[in-house]
Amino acid sequence: GQQLNQSPQSMFIQEGEDVSMNCTSSSIFNTWLWYKQDPGEGPVLLIALYKAGELTSNGRLTAQFGITRKDSFLNISASIPSDVGIYFCAGQNPAGGTSYGKLTFGQGTILTVHP
Amino acid sequence: GAVVSQHPSWVICKSGTSVKIECRSLDFQATTMFWYRQFPKQSLMLMATSNEGSKATYEQGVEKDKFLINHASLTLSTLTVTSAHPEDSSFYICSAERVTNEKLFFGSGTQLSVL
Repeated sequence: GQQLNQSPQSMFIQEGEDVSMNCTSSSIFNTWLWYKQDPGEGPVLLIALYKAGELTSNGRLTAQFGITRKDSFLNISASIPSDVGIYFCAGQNPAGGTSYGKLTFGQGTILTVHP
Repeated sequence: GAVVSQHPSWVICKSGTSVKIECRSLDFQATTMFWYRQFPKQSLMLMATSNEGSKATYEQGVEKDKFLINHASLTLSTLTVTSAHPEDSSFYICSAERVTNEKLFFGSGTQLSVL
């Protein structure tokens, strides 16, 4: 099946530093999503991107939908300890417009922030 | 925001027994729910798509007779792991799609440990 390549796999940074992670795909997605997952919890949506080239911000988070629709990146500025967690990208490609929920996830980026 | 409740949060069972996991949309109707499985330090893998009032659609490699899915109402889908074995131990997460909106909402997950 489809796979998303997410990198880096893990990051260890100091509080206050900026973080960047990205996802690439061999196929096109119509929607790119970025989620954060805390241990033992379900993923929580951070940012959704619906148009190629779209750049969207949510507080300290910024994400972009690549022009080719095969990639996306997420930036976190001025990281804080509560940013710790696993970040997943996900591609969404509605089939026939009837269901939007089938997601393909990247492998995840484990973020550790040192105070 | 919309809430998806998943129950139980964790369950320990003996090998050979069956376990039922519930996924409820608390404040919206969900014609479609999705079931994912996540092994430690890995990504979420879609197992099946559950549509209210019809049979679930399983992803390739997922045994439909082992992972029974029932979506009897617009607010409830259940996943039953039949004759569980230790290799079925995993984190199971559901998500629900609103009827009139393309947004997805995830449950908080169920950690299954089979002894």
